[in-house]
Amino acid sequence: ETGVTQTPRHLVMGMTNKKSLKCEQHLGHNAMYWYKQSAKKPLELMFVYSLEERVENNSVPSRFSPACPNSSHLFLHLHTLQPEDSALYLCASSRWTSGRAGELFFGEGSRLTVL
Amino acid sequence: QQQVKQSPQSLIVQKGGISIINCAYENTAFDYFPWYQQFPGKGPALLIAIRPDVSEKKEGRFTISFNKSAKQFSLHIMDSQPGDSATYFCAASPFYNQGGKLIFGQGTELSVKP
Repeated sequence: ETGVTQTPRHLVMGMTNKKSLKCEQHLGHNAMYWYKQSAKKPLELMFVYSLEERVENNSVPSRFSPACPNSSHLFLHLHTLQPEDSALYLCASSRWTSGRAGELFFGEGSRLTVL
Repeated sequence: QQQVKQSPQSLIVQKGGISIINCAYENTAFDYFPWYQQFPGKGPALLIAIRPDVSEKKEGRFTISFNKSAKQFSLHIMDSQPGDSATYFCAASPFYNQGGKLIFGQGTELSVKP
């Protein structure tokens, strides 16, 4: 059982669709993150959750809506996306403590294609 | 000031050679510098990390060199192997950092030729 599991691994959607990405961590961590990875660009932090509370939203468009029902699960709800939103979406988890928060454990990502 | 600049963008090395990837930062509040390794189809994984109280950290064939005055750090892969072919990301943050707010470099795609 991998530490951080993301589903689906691949998703193709039209601009009017609504879909969700799911992330589950089995590491006992209490912080979870969504990152966007586009080709030739640095990983972009989108959202941070600590103890199920959203603590960071890096100016992400409202067409991305995160949810964290408990410390083990994280969702990213998608609606009316644009083709430029096509990317690899990575979920990560960590301990929310000083000195260890930089040790992120990533899932394998959900490859999203918006047509 | 929040950027971490990474070079080169891509690197081809012969098996047995040394791979060197460089990163530079501006924010003096950064004092934790990890490197992540990402294989195709996988998420990034923490490879090695350094804090500025040492100038070098070695783990097996992987070494981080750190130059605090120049605000630069680099990853050296000794005796590079085809299995090291991956994308490498440097990152930076304050060590006493809540929230995993790592600032990542653009990534270096390493290819090690047999």
